[in-house]
Amino acid sequence: LAKTTQPISMDSYEGQEVNITCSHNNIATNDYITWYQQFPSQGPRFIIQGYKTKVTNEVASLFIPADRKSSTLSLPRVSLSDTAVYYCLVGGSNYQLIWGAGTKLIIKP
Amino acid sequence: DTGVSQDPRHKITKRGQNVTFRCDPISEHNRLYWYRQTLGQGPEFLTYFQNEAQLEKSRLLSDRFSAERPKGSFSTLEIQRTEQGDSAMYLCASSPVQTGKGEQFFGPGTRLTVL
Repeated sequence: LAKTTQPISMDSYEGQEVNITCSHNNIATNDYITWYQQFPSQGPRFIIQGYKTKVTNEVASLFIPADRKSSTLSLPRVSLSDTAVYYCLVGGSNYQLIWGAGTKLIIKP
Repeated sequence: DTGVSQDPRHKITKRGQNVTFRCDPISEHNRLYWYRQTLGQGPEFLTYFQNEAQLEKSRLLSDRFSAERPKGSFSTLEIQRTEQGDSAMYLCASSPVQTGKGEQFFGPGTRLTVL
């Protein structure tokens, strides 16, 4: 099971673009990269998932370089409500994902 | 609301007592997961069901923990002889069967406090 490394915390300001990078040097060929968001006292919420190159949805973009040893979650024009913990996970099946401590993102006015 | 639901949301118990939590997954989801999360940490995998079959159980899981999903729908997690170290948020998640995908839908969790 591939482990991930991401910054413990990050600060930014409203309206800015925030990029959170995750390293996963031991990612396997069939592993996907998935990002979750978690607010206090709530369960995690799926944000985005990708395998390679770039994926974009209505809330975020995910950039994955060719070697897939890292990935970057990009949140455009953040607001105060984006303050949360963001988790990066890699896995090839739907269970036994290893969750790290995540990145605590604080958005300031 | 057709999301994952968990009951109760909060449970306070005394050390040594047994507790049981319930999870109702999204109705068409075959897979169900239980996690435990302590403050400042990510969720820790406990166990996984596909339909009624318990296919995986964490080696870190004490024998005091047991989970069931008798009809492949709702699931229960029981902790016997609770200890103060069991205090945590217990999360349930469900997902459809999609090989290679990692999207899980989480419930709001049950916060357990063992006094």
